[in-house]
Amino acid sequence: DIQMTQSPSSLSASVGDRVTITCRASQSISKYLNWYQQKPGKAPKLLIYSSSNLESGVPSRFSGSGSGTDFALTISSLQPEDFATYYCHSSYSTVEGPFGQGTKVEV
Amino acid sequence: EVQLVESGGGVLRPGESLRLSCVASGFTFDGYGMSWVRQAPGKGLEWVSSINWNGGMTGYADSVRGRFTISRDNARKSLYLQTDSLRVEDTALYYCARVSIEMNRRGIDFWGQGTLVTVSS
Repeated sequence: DIQMTQSPSSLSASVGDRVTITCRASQSISKYLNWYQQKPGKAPKLLIYSSSNLESGVPSRFSGSGSGTDFALTISSLQPEDFATYYCHSSYSTVEGPFGQGTKVEV
Repeated sequence: EVQLVESGGGVLRPGESLRLSCVASGFTFDGYGMSWVRQAPGKGLEWVSSINWNGGMTGYADSVRGRFTISRDNARKSLYLQTDSLRVEDTALYYCARVSIEMNRRGIDFWGQGTLVTVSS
């Protein structure tokens, strides 16, 4: 089974900061890595699919990179509405989909 | 408008069973895989189970394999999760999620609002 390891588990940042979250898969998953944002009391929201593709409507300050086993989500200039928890997710298989442990971005 | 509406959650004792349902609308249901993802109170997302478009392929997390069964009825545009032998650690908000199977856009792309399952003695 594929395992996803995400880091850090939390980080403190300020508005305007550049933030990077990393995710490592236990085996190669090619480009099949998605990123989600979740705010308290809400369902997760897709930000990035297939490692680097921005979901429609998502601000361009979000970007993704990586392939194989190592991936990253970058927020180029953190905005107040970006304080949330972020999860990576393997979409390599359509019937198996482990998540990373999550990264809480806080002030 | 894409909608996924879960139901069936409740409060149960350890060892009991429950069937969760999810009704889809606003998209071609049999053109997508589907998944269940859960989130225990204050914890992260945990993938539970997935099913392909026609029910011919399924997958389960180790934590639920042998106790939970995923199924779908494309005519009713519905997804189900039969949960048996429930444990305290199964307490969570259970999300129904749509799985895109497009080669360049694979994975969960839409989520319901969840149904809460509480297992307590």
